[in-house]
Amino acid sequence: AQSVTQPDIHITVSEGASLELRCNYSYGATPYLFWYVQSPGQGLQLLLKYFSGDTLVQGIKGFEAEFKRSQSSFNLRKPSVHWSDAAEYFCAVGVKSSGDKLTFGTGTRLAVRP
Amino acid sequence: DTGVSQNPRHKITKRGQNVTFRCDPISEHNRLYWYRQTLGQGPEFLTYFQNEAQLEKSRLLSDRFSAERPKGSFSTLEIQRTEQGDSAMYLCASSLSISGNTIYFGEGSWLTVV
Repeated sequence: AQSVTQPDIHITVSEGASLELRCNYSYGATPYLFWYVQSPGQGLQLLLKYFSGDTLVQGIKGFEAEFKRSQSSFNLRKPSVHWSDAAEYFCAVGVKSSGDKLTFGTGTRLAVRP
Repeated sequence: DTGVSQNPRHKITKRGQNVTFRCDPISEHNRLYWYRQTLGQGPEFLTYFQNEAQLEKSRLLSDRFSAERPKGSFSTLEIQRTEQGDSAMYLCASSLSISGNTIYFGEGSWLTVV
């Protein structure tokens, strides 16, 4: 069965610093991969997605992610973090055989120091 | 495109009572998903519909839970004889059944069972 691991539960960075959130997946085929962001008490907003093609994908709010098949990873990056980026970030894999349903990791909570 | 709409946003109920949540997907989307999210966890898949057909149900969906999508448009999720362990946020999402298409989430419905 598919699974997603986000090894970092909490991360704190200073405003203006770079950010990398880690995501590892387990899936038996070429995956669909997603990063979503969730503010407290809110739903999930899609940041970016990978289906095929270029392994470096660009998303909204200045985020990007790189698919590395050899490492089963899909890490999220941002070169300069803003205070408004403080939120919870979820990596997910889409299961093609089940209506593209998403399996999520447990999330990484990002705090931003002024 | 008004997004995925969920009602009510918050519900407090006594243990043993029944509750029902409604989800209105994005109008042209034929797939609809339900997820459950507890504090500190990622969303967990419950079930999904394609048009009016319920195509998959998770083991998490006990016999106290029932979901319907009678006309292939809005959906309801009913929980009978609620238990404290049912306290969670229930998220609805929708998409087009084009492989790998983006899944859009609603703001969620918070359930507190007292």
